[in-house]
Amino acid sequence: GDQVKQSPSALSLQEGTNSALRCNFSIATTTVQWFLQNPRGSLMNLFYLVPGTKENGRLKSTFNSKESYSTLHIRDAQLEDSGTYFCAADYGGSGNKLIFGTGTLLSVKP
Amino acid sequence: GPKVLQIPSHQIIDMGQMVTLNCDPVSNHLYFYWYKQILGQQMEFLVNFYNGKVMEKSKLFKDQFSVERPDGSYFTLKIQPTALEDSAVYFCASSFPGQGALEVFFGKGTRLTVV
Repeated sequence: GDQVKQSPSALSLQEGTNSALRCNFSIATTTVQWFLQNPRGSLMNLFYLVPGTKENGRLKSTFNSKESYSTLHIRDAQLEDSGTYFCAADYGGSGNKLIFGTGTLLSVKP
Repeated sequence: GPKVLQIPSHQIIDMGQMVTLNCDPVSNHLYFYWYKQILGQQMEFLVNFYNGKVMEKSKLFKDQFSVERPDGSYFTLKIQPTALEDSAVYFCASSFPGQGALEVFFGKGTRLTVV
């Protein structure tokens, strides 16, 4: 549902440019994960975050638990960055349960 | 990163028949999950499983669904009988228990087509 809202829903970037994706949470969550789903459907783990910031190469992600949002920054976009980016909130119940956002479809063009 | 293996990658089955989807979780992981993704949509939680028991299941986990992991074998999702609306990609996932929340790793999915 709308427990995890992602924006934008789709994005087209020129190779070499920068952008930011965002997730807003309406549920309490202690951790956030970001994934990239490639066109063949495989999910790649990008970040696992407690409140704070992590950086990996051209990607940087922040999770602000007080304001209930997370961002994923992409620097110097490359063609291979194309795919669907999902954020997921850990919604603790009896075990771990991830609530996924609706995704951002990113297309990087030469 | 850690690998979750799913077998088969594709399965076509006649409506009403039984299907079993197999998952080989990461070797030292103890929490197991199934998620469902209909084409072009978000991933939706079905069920999680720990210490031989279902811990939590969603409304999507119908009575026709069951999960198990007999000792030393695959973690399985069985659907009996299948329905047309069960067509989707089913992702298995696993995580290692520890303090607080847990990083979850996903397999490549099994695309199930019910005809």
